[in-house]
Amino acid sequence: AQTVTQSQPEMSVQEAETVTLSCTYDTSESNYYLFWYKQPPSRQMILVIRQEAYKQQNATENRFSVNFQKAAKSFSLKISDSQLGDTAMYFCALSLNTGTASKLTFGTGTRLQVTL
Amino acid sequence: DVKVTQSSRYLVKRTGEKVFLECVQDMDHENMFWYRQDPGLGLRLIYFSYDVKMKEKGDIPEGYSVSREKKERFSLILESASTNQTSMYLCASSYRQGRKPQHFGDGTRLSIL
Repeated sequence: AQTVTQSQPEMSVQEAETVTLSCTYDTSESNYYLFWYKQPPSRQMILVIRQEAYKQQNATENRFSVNFQKAAKSFSLKISDSQLGDTAMYFCALSLNTGTASKLTFGTGTRLQVTL
Repeated sequence: DVKVTQSSRYLVKRTGEKVFLECVQDMDHENMFWYRQDPGLGLRLIYFSYDVKMKEKGDIPEGYSVSREKKERFSLILESASTNQTSMYLCASSYRQGRKPQHFGDGTRLSIL
């Protein structure tokens, strides 16, 4: 079975600053994918960034980047130049490439508050 | 853009009622999922479907059933609603491959009185 752990239930950052959200995972599989999803207050969950486990290069999407440490099973999300619109619940998730369906295992989430 | 539509944003039902939550996607995705979201517990998978009429149990299937008669529609059924099923329910869909992300609906906040 797969597990995903987010050890920071809540975090706060000032606008324009940088913040890092932590995520660790456990799986015995070698072929998997990692995701960060964002859920703004009362709004839809959306994909922030994706990392394929076989790729050594860390994924980046504009102000969002990851630090993927495969041996340590760590997958942290860095948000640079934080904006008020980044206020949201952030979920780390792991997907296996199975034959039937790509199920996601989610962490418990980190609530990020961006302040002025 | 992918659109995943859940039939209700808010729903209030009584204990013992049979409750139907509907979800429709417009991207011809093979996979569809139902999650339950509770504070401090994250998202937990109830059921998923990888093809029409095919379904598999997730991590917390007890008290729920599902139906997928058409590719674009996936229904979650609470056979006899109980107060511990009060929660936020999220539907998602995706292509079959694991590298493809899931796309979520807006969620249904269900209260069982």
